[in-house]
Amino acid sequence: KAGVTQTPRYLIKTRGQQVTLSCSPISGHRSVSWYQQTPGQGLQFLFEYFSETQRNKGNFPGRFSGRQFSNSRSEMNVSTLELGDSALYLCASGRQTPSTDTQYFGPGTRLTVL
Amino acid sequence: GDSVTQMEGPVTLSEEAFLTINCTYTATGYPSLFWYVQYPGEGLQLLLKATKADDKGSNKGFEATYRKETTSFHLEKGSVQVSDSAVYFCALIEKGDKIIFGKGTRLHILP
Repeated sequence: KAGVTQTPRYLIKTRGQQVTLSCSPISGHRSVSWYQQTPGQGLQFLFEYFSETQRNKGNFPGRFSGRQFSNSRSEMNVSTLELGDSALYLCASGRQTPSTDTQYFGPGTRLTVL
Repeated sequence: GDSVTQMEGPVTLSEEAFLTINCTYTATGYPSLFWYVQYPGEGLQLLLKATKADDKGSNKGFEATYRKETTSFHLEKGSVQVSDSAVYFCALIEKGDKIIFGKGTRLHILP
């Protein structure tokens, strides 16, 4: 069975631009979560979607947004990029919500903001 | 709020040495506990998990026991290999449906 896929794998943007990252969950999975990984802050929760509904959101500014489509694929958007947004963005999927079922992570999208 | 504290690295060991990576947690209820591993250039892989007190999770020679009395979930392996070199994350999840991770411990195994 194919794992979680994230596209693109690498991205370079400049300050002020916006970016959209994509996550395709494992077939049959309805939960998708997003995490930001940086050397200083570690892994931080961004948001979680289940059946197209955002159920939880982490402590990030409104520049970070996301959505989930009817096929469970999810996108994350960051507007007005800042240097501090440079990070590895990880997506995880599960059949049920994270507290009730194992979450499987994708390889991540490495975003560099210049 | 909930939190996870794990030993700082890097940890450097020789091949076939015994490994322990300490992890303690703070939670209001009864969380599920996890160890994830991240190999260079890759995402996170679930290594093992335990969902209730005294459960032992195990996989690929790694083990961890959910100790409610000491709020700990230490990772152990009896004989490490060079291929175990990676970053290990202790994590918990409770009712809020977000995984809370420790800072990670980088492990180097020397041949």
